[in-house]
Amino acid sequence: GEDVEQSLFLSVREGDSSVINCTYTDSSSTYLYWYKQEPGAGLQLLTYIFSNMDMKQDQRLTVLLNKKDKHLSLRIADTQTGDSAIYFCAESRLNSGYSTLTFGKGTMLLVSP
Amino acid sequence: KAGVTQTPRYLIKTRGQQVTLSCSPISGHRSVSWYQQTPGQGLQFLFEYFSETQRNKGNFPGRFSGRQFSNSRSEMNVSTLELGDSALYLCASSRAPGQDGEKLFFGSGTQLSVL
Repeated sequence: GEDVEQSLFLSVREGDSSVINCTYTDSSSTYLYWYKQEPGAGLQLLTYIFSNMDMKQDQRLTVLLNKKDKHLSLRIADTQTGDSAIYFCAESRLNSGYSTLTFGKGTMLLVSP
Repeated sequence: KAGVTQTPRYLIKTRGQQVTLSCSPISGHRSVSWYQQTPGQGLQFLFEYFSETQRNKGNFPGRFSGRQFSNSRSEMNVSTLELGDSALYLCASSRAPGQDGEKLFFGSGTQLSVL
C-alpha cells in the first residue's frame, strides 16, 4: 500500500521507556522523520535519520531503522508526563522531482504518573 | 527568531462560503508548504510554494488554491466550502523547496469549522 502506518495508541507509566513503531512504503526514501504534536499546537520536529544509518541517538530519543523491513521506531527513555502527545513518523518521497513528506496518522502516547 | 505564524487561529464558516488563510514563514525561509489535518485522513499535503511559484501539489480539488508573495508569506484559499473541509490547516516553512533532509517547521495551524 501507499500508507505510512503506525499504531494508534500507546500508554506507559512515567519513568518507563516508550517505543513507537512505524512502517513506511517507499524503499527509496532517503530521510525518515519523527514529529511530535501537542494539543492545540503544530508539529515539532524531534529527530530524523538518513536511510544509510541503522540507529541515531539524541539524548532520551533513540531511532532505529530496519531498511530491509521498512520499519522505523522511536524509543523514548525515562518517559515523562510532558512527553504525552501525538507522534508522527514521516518519509520523504519524490513527487514531480521534489521531495515531499508523507506522514503516518500518528500514535497517541499517554504517560501516566 | 520567530516561528511560523498562521492567522487566524480559528475560523467558522458556512457551506458555500470561501476562506483565506495566512502563513508567515520563519525569517530566511523561502519555501512554504500547506497540509490539511483531519482525524480520519491524518496529514495530507496540499501544495508547496517557492519564489512565488507553486512547485508541488497534492491530490486536492481545484477549490483549494494558494499563492506566495515576494516576502515569502503565503495564503491559501478554499472556495465553495464543504462540510468535509473542516480541518486543521497547517503551514510549514523550510529554507528551500523539497530537498531531501530539508527540515519542515510548522505553525500552530488554523482550525477551520464549516457549518
